[in-house]
Amino acid sequence: GAGVSQSPSNKVTEKGKDVELRCDPISGHTALYWYRQRLGQGLEFLIYFQGNSAPDKSGLPSDRFSAERTGESVSTLTIQRTQQEDSAVYLCASSLEVVGSWADTQYFGPGTRLTVL
Amino acid sequence: AQTVTQSQPEMSVQEAETVTLSCTYDTSENNYYLFWYKQPPSRQMILVIRQEAYKQQNATENRFSVNFQKAAKSFSLKISDSQLGDTAMYFCAFMKALRLASARQLTFGSGTQLTVLP
Repeated sequence: GAGVSQSPSNKVTEKGKDVELRCDPISGHTALYWYRQRLGQGLEFLIYFQGNSAPDKSGLPSDRFSAERTGESVSTLTIQRTQQEDSAVYLCASSLEVVGSWADTQYFGPGTRLTVL
Repeated sequence: AQTVTQSQPEMSVQEAETVTLSCTYDTSENNYYLFWYKQPPSRQMILVIRQEAYKQQNATENRFSVNFQKAAKSFSLKISDSQLGDTAMYFCAFMKALRLASARQLTFGSGTQLTVLP
């Protein structure tokens, strides 16, 4: 089936504007993750969804960042009042995670490259 | 907290040769998973190989194999018969093994840029 998709592929915005990034997970995957990848660095965890609830938001860097998920489907990451330090690639991953089971492999989307001018 | 260290920012290898990428990690967990992902210029993170900490046998996937040393907290990736398409950034990653509906986020190293030379 189709993999994880993300849109837009690239987003250029001006400092202070709000942006929305979208993730479509693999159909049937209950778990969804957002990560941030700054230039030349590894990925940093932002938030995790189990279904449409977010039991772990510990990685969100500030209250300007928020995310929601509709059921076990699409997720949106919103960054308000963007700053230049928000420039990064934002990656989404999903996994078929059954409560009570051991962890499953995460499959990643191609990411959204955000540039804040 | 877990940390993952990749001490080789860049490596190169001749086509058809073998190369080993190193990774060490620090954790107090006894049960966990380790992964190698590759990220070509397309940005797509692609799973290369996965190892469960409770398994002593090293994982193998075609030309890719790992050397997992649990006591030393070392998890290196060996690529045999390197191909031009193997050129990518390689990330080592750690995940706790949790049975509860808790976050199972990956903790990544900083990556190793591998270039396969013709």
